[in-house]
Amino acid sequence: GENVEQHPSTLSVQEGDSAVIKCTYSDSASNYFPWYKQELGKGPQLIIDIRSNVGEKKDQRIAVTLNKTAKHFSLHITETQPEDSAVYFCAASRKDSNYQLIWGAGTKLIIKP
Amino acid sequence: GAVVSQHPSRVICKSGTSVKIECRSLDFQATTMFWYRQFPKQSLMLMATSNEGSKATYEQGVEKDKFLINHASLTLSTLTVTSAHPEDSSFYICSASPGMDIQYFGAGTRLSVL
Repeated sequence: GENVEQHPSTLSVQEGDSAVIKCTYSDSASNYFPWYKQELGKGPQLIIDIRSNVGEKKDQRIAVTLNKTAKHFSLHITETQPEDSAVYFCAASRKDSNYQLIWGAGTKLIIKP
Repeated sequence: GAVVSQHPSRVICKSGTSVKIECRSLDFQATTMFWYRQFPKQSLMLMATSNEGSKATYEQGVEKDKFLINHASLTLSTLTVTSAHPEDSSFYICSASPGMDIQYFGAGTRLSVL
């Protein structure tokens, strides 16, 4: 079955710097890759997603890149702000698994003022 | 758009009682809803998948008689934890999908069983 690995587990960056979180997946049939932000005590919030027919997607300070050959995708946050501090999860899914999300272990992002 | 409302946000109950958690998609019809459980500092663990009008599909190891799921309409799914015990204490989260791959999540329910 699908396996998603996420690194690093904790990332501390200075406010204003960029943050990059990386995920790799094992199932080449996976075709949907969302990123979620989860603040303490809350549910995950979808921040950006990408499908396998696209290599890169950007939404203001957030971008995701996908390398299907290497089976990895990354989240890029530029000009980080204190409110970006949270746990970020990547996930992967495929149509014939009823789009069940396979989750990475999460990355705790700490933005230092 | 894409708002999923989950209630209650927190519940404390006595051991042996049942607790119902509601999950509503407010501005879209959810063909599929999912229920997750999350332990501290861990990722989300899928408990079950439900489609409107059908019986839920439970993941291996999840007791269907313990965690009753009802997906009565395209905007409402409920999870009932029956005869709750302290080991059922956890953070329960629902998600709803308008179709295909996207899932939008509720705010979660913190269940504490005394």
